[in-house]
Amino acid sequence: GDSVTQMEGPVTLSEEAFLTINCTYTATGYPSLFWYVQYPGEGLQLLLKATKADDKGSNKGFEATYRKETTSFHLEKGSVQVSDSAVYFCALSKGAGSYQLTFGKGTKLSVIP
Amino acid sequence: DTGVSQNPRHKITKRGQNVTFRCDPISEHNRLYWYRQTLGQGPEFLTYFQNEAQLEKSRLLSDRFSAERPKGSFSTLEIQRTEQGDSAMYLCASSLAGGEGYGYTFGSGTRLTVV
Repeated sequence: GDSVTQMEGPVTLSEEAFLTINCTYTATGYPSLFWYVQYPGEGLQLLLKATKADDKGSNKGFEATYRKETTSFHLEKGSVQVSDSAVYFCALSKGAGSYQLTFGKGTKLSVIP
Repeated sequence: DTGVSQNPRHKITKRGQNVTFRCDPISEHNRLYWYRQTLGQGPEFLTYFQNEAQLEKSRLLSDRFSAERPKGSFSTLEIQRTEQGDSAMYLCASSLAGGEGYGYTFGSGTRLTVV
């Protein structure tokens, strides 16, 4: 079946440090890929997405590129802020017409001043 | 539109009791989903509706669980004879049919604690 594997956390960084959270997936066909963020006490929010190979999703300074050859969708940000502290989830869906998301376990990020 | 709304935010119940949660999706979204998230894990799919029809149920959804969406608008998730293993965050999400490739909109969830 489909699966998503994320690097385990927690990840602790100083403000303005570079962030990478690794995500790899296993799926048949051509899934769409997502990063969701969950701030403390809140629901999941879509951070960015990519629907086909080589697409780059970006939002709020975060970026991720859909790499089909390595089945990866790593999340990056050049300079993190304290307000980026949250849990980040990588997820996939089978694309148009598909209803189900498969999530990774999440990576908790803490950014310290 | 205020997004996806879930009530209550928190529920503490004794083992063996029944509980019911409510989800109000974004009004123009015709698909509604329930997920369960346990501590340290990502959300797991439970079931989804297109309009009022329940089209898929995960094997995680035991016969103690039932979900309804009677008029294709709000949905309820009921758990009968709760067990401690049911303690989790129950998330609701909605989307337009065919729009899942663009992501769902999630609610803030209902946290259930079974004591």
